[in-house]
Amino acid sequence: IVLTQSPDSLAVPLGERASINCRSGRTVQSIANNKNHLAWYRQKPGQPPSLLIYWASTRASGVPDRFSGSGSGTDFNLTITSLQAEDVGLYSCQQYYSSPTFGQGTRLEI
Amino acid sequence: QLLETGGGFVQPGGSLRLSCVASGFSFSRHGMAWVRQAPGKGLEWVASIDGPGTGTKFADSVGGRFAVSRDNSKNTVFLEMNDLGVEDTAKYYCARNVLTVDGAIGIQFFDSWGQGALVTVSS
Repeated sequence: IVLTQSPDSLAVPLGERASINCRSGRTVQSIANNKNHLAWYRQKPGQPPSLLIYWASTRASGVPDRFSGSGSGTDFNLTITSLQAEDVGLYSCQQYYSSPTFGQGTRLEI
Repeated sequence: QLLETGGGFVQPGGSLRLSCVASGFSFSRHGMAWVRQAPGKGLEWVASIDGPGTGTKFADSVGGRFAVSRDNSKNTVFLEMNDLGVEDTAKYYCARNVLTVDGAIGIQFFDSWGQGALVTVSS
């Protein structure tokens, strides 16, 4: 399943809101559990990825509520409110409806 | 914590074995995966193995060339890479699969990652 993120990069002022889109080539919503098999990760410069969101909208442990995920089927969004300097990095979506695939990533700058 | 070792420089057609030692969690209860990232590129899932070590999955790009295994007595997962090409140059991350029933890998997203091991394939 091909995931396409937009934009490829964006720059947002401190304290403002950033929004990243992830579009899937086919649905990642399971008929069996009605859940969307989509996760979001953040990768700070020089570090490994870390899980932010799973099941499209559930925040991982320790993730601030400034981060939220939404969407269903083939169209998903990650929104970051009150942007902070530590939010800089590469954001990637990943589907796990079938063998895992990742989006190409969106680079977020201040 | 996940710690990868075994990265390095290898010529095309060569082989390399990566290891990942886990600590701080019940290793055998989790599926494990390898995810790579070519320089300046996005993430690419490579392979996964379930908790008992009886089930494996591979990306089409590496199937038949790579093997994944684990030793639960040593909290270690391995990635054996053969017939390496320049397109395999990447940082290879070891990642813990989210906890599932019996460590199955039907649902695969990754809640803990190592720092990565760099593999460079070049003549």
